[in-house]
Amino acid sequence: GAGVSQTPSNKVTEKGKYVELRCDPISGHTALYWYRQSLGQGPEFLIYFQGTGAADDSGLPNDRFFAVRPEGSVSTLKIQRTERGDSAVYLCASSLQTRGDNSPLHFGNGTRLTVT
Amino acid sequence: KQEVTQIPAALSVPEGENLVLNCSFTDSAIYNLQWFRQDPGKGLTSLLLIQSSQREQTSGRLNASLDKSSGRSTLYIAASQPGDSATYLCAVQSGGFKTIFGAGTRLFVKA
Repeated sequence: GAGVSQTPSNKVTEKGKYVELRCDPISGHTALYWYRQSLGQGPEFLIYFQGTGAADDSGLPNDRFFAVRPEGSVSTLKIQRTERGDSAVYLCASSLQTRGDNSPLHFGNGTRLTVT
Repeated sequence: KQEVTQIPAALSVPEGENLVLNCSFTDSAIYNLQWFRQDPGKGLTSLLLIQSSQREQTSGRLNASLDKSSGRSTLYIAASQPGDSATYLCAVQSGGFKTIFGAGTRLFVKA
């Protein structure tokens, strides 16, 4: 089956604009994660969903960032009033379980966001 | 707060050499540890997952060990090849549901 799909692959926006980033997880994966990765750094945790609910959103940097997963499958990361510091690669991952003893994370190829 | 550190930050070796990448974490109460590979401009690919009750996992030329009590893991790559050139990331899942990543080791294998 298909892996984790993220769209768009690249997004260029002007400072102050609103953007939405989409993630299609692997079918049947109940856990979904958003990460942000800056150049030369490891992925930084943003938010975790178990089903439809955000089980842990402690990594969201401020209230300009919001994510939803209304039907427990596709998730959208929303960024309001974008700033140049938001420029990064936004990665989505899914897995079968929560505390995954045998459930590795499966990542998409990411969305590269550039705020000009 | 869990912190993950990877040493070295970068490594260049000739083809055929065996090598070890290191990962350390501050909170030993983990559920699992994963090693990932990331190619430039791509997402992460899971290489090995070690459960908290396990000591090591092997896949082909890769062997990962876990010493939970000391907060350390190593990734051993045997007979390195130019195709192994990539960034290798270590990640731990501990309290809560987060998986926390290190900054990675950039590996370059010279032909």
